Amino acid sequence: GAVVSQHPSRVICKSGTSVKIECRSLDFQATTMFWYRQFPKQSLMLMATSNEGSKATYEQGVEKDKFLINHASLTLSTLTVTSAHPEDSSFYICSARDLQGRYNSPLHFGNGTRLTVT
Amino acid sequence: AQTVTQSQPEMSVQEAETVTLSCTYDTSESDYYLFWYKQPPSRQMILVIRQEAYKQQNATENRFSVNFQKAAKSFSLKISDSQLGDAAMYFCAYITGTASKLTFGTGTRLQVTL
Repeated sequence: GAVVSQHPSRVICKSGTSVKIECRSLDFQATTMFWYRQFPKQSLMLMATSNEGSKATYEQGVEKDKFLINHASLTLSTLTVTSAHPEDSSFYICSARDLQGRYNSPLHFGNGTRLTVT
Repeated sequence: AQTVTQSQPEMSVQEAETVTLSCTYDTSESDYYLFWYKQPPSRQMILVIRQEAYKQQNATENRFSVNFQKAAKSFSLKISDSQLGDAAMYFCAYITGTASKLTFGTGTRLQVTL
């Protein structure tokens, strides 16, 4: 089946530093990837839609300059949390849609990244 | 606004019994798809079942089935013969043709007891 690899699985960083999270589709190509944020015991909140070769589409209330998204190839999207602060600590999950799939095709999810900012 | 509501924050079921998780949604679109995802303690999102809105027949996947009531905008998940491995967070979600992005409900935590 389709596999999405997300790295790192856990990261601890100091306040003020930047952290990059990678999301790779291993056995399929994805023009569209999604980045979610999940607080403890809460649902997944869509942060942005990453489009290969173009700018990401951010959801209302998500700071574009804070959460930089780059989708440089059909198999890789990155989320960079810039100047991280403790309130950015959360669980981040990416998902990808197969290039050949329609909008209703099931998304393939990464295993998530737990970010802790100290 | 398009929303998904799961009114049961937590549910409990005994092993081998049946449990039903509720979900209601609100959309003005006619073309959409509904999903149930499972998130075990590992945090990996796993697709359980999906339903096309244009189909009247309820989807079934082994022990999992849905009760799709389009007019009522209701999409409940029934788990039969519950197993310990079914313990997880369950999220109802939908996607529309215009938005092309998943909207998740608040989730229901399912406990399975012996």
